[in-house]
Amino acid sequence: GESVGLHLPTLSVQEGDNSIINCAYSNSASDYFIWYKQESGKGPQFIIDIRSNMDKRQGQRVTVLLNKTVKHLSLQIAATQPGDSAVYFCAAGPGNTPLVFGKGTRLSVIA
Amino acid sequence: GAGVSQTPSNKVTEKGKYVELRCDPISGHTALYWYRQSLGQGPEFLIYFQGTGAADDSGLPNDRFFAVRPEGSVSTLKIQRTERGDSAVYLCASSPGTEPYGYTFGSGTRLTVV
Repeated sequence: GESVGLHLPTLSVQEGDNSIINCAYSNSASDYFIWYKQESGKGPQFIIDIRSNMDKRQGQRVTVLLNKTVKHLSLQIAATQPGDSAVYFCAAGPGNTPLVFGKGTRLSVIA
Repeated sequence: GAGVSQTPSNKVTEKGKYVELRCDPISGHTALYWYRQSLGQGPEFLIYFQGTGAADDSGLPNDRFFAVRPEGSVSTLKIQRTERGDSAVYLCASSPGTEPYGYTFGSGTRLTVV
């Protein structure tokens, strides 16, 4: 089965700097990857996803990079803002099966 | 509805009691997922419905846990003889059942067993 791990449980960045959150997965059959943001007392909120036929995908201030060779996924947040403070989860799986989530990285933005 | 709705938002129950947690998915979403999230952990898969049937219940920890979705919309997660270790946030998510597979989560039900 799949297992997903985050490289760092916590990350602190200065407001305005770029943030990079890393994630590793184990199952080479996983072809769909998602990043979620979770604020206190709320459910996970979709940020961005990527399929295995892509290496990079960009959204508004966020970029996801996928390295299938080393089974590594990263989320880059540009110009980090206080509202970005939350716990970030990566999730992975074959496209039509339940996603497996990592433990999460808590991002703290220092004003 | 506009989003995934879970009720109640908080539930405190005594050890040994029975509880039901409800999930109203986004209208038209055929896939529905239940996850459990313990403090400081990521969501852990419990069960997945496609329509009315449970497509995958491999995450249910034991036979005290059961879930139904009789009309392919609302789902109820049922926990019998609750134990203190069942305390967690129970999250429900729904998806259209087609690409891009990304779920929309509800805010969860925080279950506390005392």
